[in-house]
Amino acid sequence: QSVLTQPPSVSAAPRQKVTISCSGSNSNIGNNYVSWYQQFPGTAPKLLIYDNNKRPSGIPDRFSGSKSGTSATLGITGLQTGDEADYFCAAWDASLSAVAFGGGTKLTVL
Amino acid sequence: QVRLVESGGGVVRPGRSLRLSCAASGFSFDNYGMHWIRQAPGKGLEWVAVIWLDGKNKFYAEALKGRFIISRDSSKSMVYLQMNSLRVEDTAVYYCARDPRGGNSGEFDPWGQGTLVTVSS
Repeated sequence: QSVLTQPPSVSAAPRQKVTISCSGSNSNIGNNYVSWYQQFPGTAPKLLIYDNNKRPSGIPDRFSGSKSGTSATLGITGLQTGDEADYFCAAWDASLSAVAFGGGTKLTVL
Repeated sequence: QVRLVESGGGVVRPGRSLRLSCAASGFSFDNYGMHWIRQAPGKGLEWVAVIWLDGKNKFYAEALKGRFIISRDSSKSMVYLQMNSLRVEDTAVYYCARDPRGGNSGEFDPWGQGTLVTVSS
């Protein structure tokens, strides 16, 4: 059971928008930055969003992040079939002195 | 360019030990915390351990404390994970990852390609 809670799956049609939620507590999301990762089968995860809402160089602005209280959200607009992947959220948990991960969300572009 | 390359994975019997290595290149190693993260087959990501950039602060997933030991060698730009008393449930791909904040964050960039550890009798 993951410390951060994500929906197991989401789906949407090409060119549409989807959001993926990540719920935590004051010890992690509430008082620390949230990062998001994209992972394709058989490959290492890649940083998608850091500091709640910043995109590393090379990540399209179709990807966005936000945080409110103890929850964070990843948004993807203009969905493409190439966005089909697993998405994970993560944050430092000060109470555990550990990194907390969400269980991951599988995105299907119908 | 910035690169992390893990090695040391393989098949090991339950109860035995294994040491994973992660070779870092393309950046100032001493300025970053380093993490190990694992992923069991078909499962999500599980954080394992971190060693801060000072090399003194080390933190572990609660369930792994006492069995796994993280260390770093700045002279070689290497990070290690010593895994003892291995169990079947430790079977996973093990990734090392760089932490731009020094160690106490969930920001990992980049990740290595991973090394597979299979614990089986």
